[in-house]
Amino acid sequence: SQQGEEDPQALSIQEGENATMNCSYKTSINNLQWYRQNSGRGLVHLILIRSNEREKHSGRLRVTLDTSKKSSSLLITASRAADTASYFCAPFSGSARQLTFGSGTQLTVLP
Amino acid sequence: DGGITQSPKYLFRKEGQNVTLSCEQNLNHDAMYWYRQDPGQGLRLIYYSQIVNDFQKGDIAEGYSVSREKKESFPLTVTSAQKNPTAFYLCASSNPGTGSNEQFFGPGTRLTVL
Repeated sequence: SQQGEEDPQALSIQEGENATMNCSYKTSINNLQWYRQNSGRGLVHLILIRSNEREKHSGRLRVTLDTSKKSSSLLITASRAADTASYFCAPFSGSARQLTFGSGTQLTVLP
Repeated sequence: DGGITQSPKYLFRKEGQNVTLSCEQNLNHDAMYWYRQDPGQGLRLIYYSQIVNDFQKGDIAEGYSVSREKKESFPLTVTSAQKNPTAFYLCASSNPGTGSNEQFFGPGTRLTVL
C-alpha cells in the first residue's frame, strides 16, 4: 500500500516562525492528506490536496503538491505553541481501500 | 453531535486475558478502521471494514479480531495471542462514497498489559 514518508522527523522552532514539513511517496495518487495528532489524542484531518492541484490554502496552512517529484509540503505560517503536535501525510490512490501513515514529523513550537 | 467515540480511554489487561475495545460512530460512514500506534511511531493498520458484515485484515492483524454487525460499531478484541499488545489504539471511519477517503478519528484507547 502507498505510504508517505515525512521529513524531518523532528522540528523545533520559535513561536512566530514558519514551519515546513515535507512528504514523499512512491506511486500515483488521487489525493494527499495531512493530519495532525496532539500528544495522546486521535488524528485530526487538516487539509486535502487533489492530484490535479498544485497548491492549497487553509487559514495558516499552505500545502503544495508536485506529482512529478512525488512530494508534498505543509507550511504552517506564524506558528503558535498550540501548533505543537505530530504531523502525518497520507497519500491516497483510488485503488487502495485504506490510508497508510508514515512516522510523522514531531513539531515543537517554543514560546 | 456527530463523531466517533472510543471506550475506555485507558485499559489494563493481565497477560493471557482477552480484552475488547469499543468504537462507535454516528457519522453514517460505511468504512471503519483500527490502527495501532507505538510510542514515537506512525499508525499501523490492524483491520478495516468497508461495509457491514465484512472486514479485511490490515498489516498487523495477528492476535486481533473484529466484528461489524452494525454500521455504527466496530469493536476490536485483543486476544491472548497478541504477544505485545501494550500500545495506543485508534479507530477511524470514512465515507468511501466521497472518493477522498478522508478519515475521522476517535480519541484512542491506551492499552497496558500488566
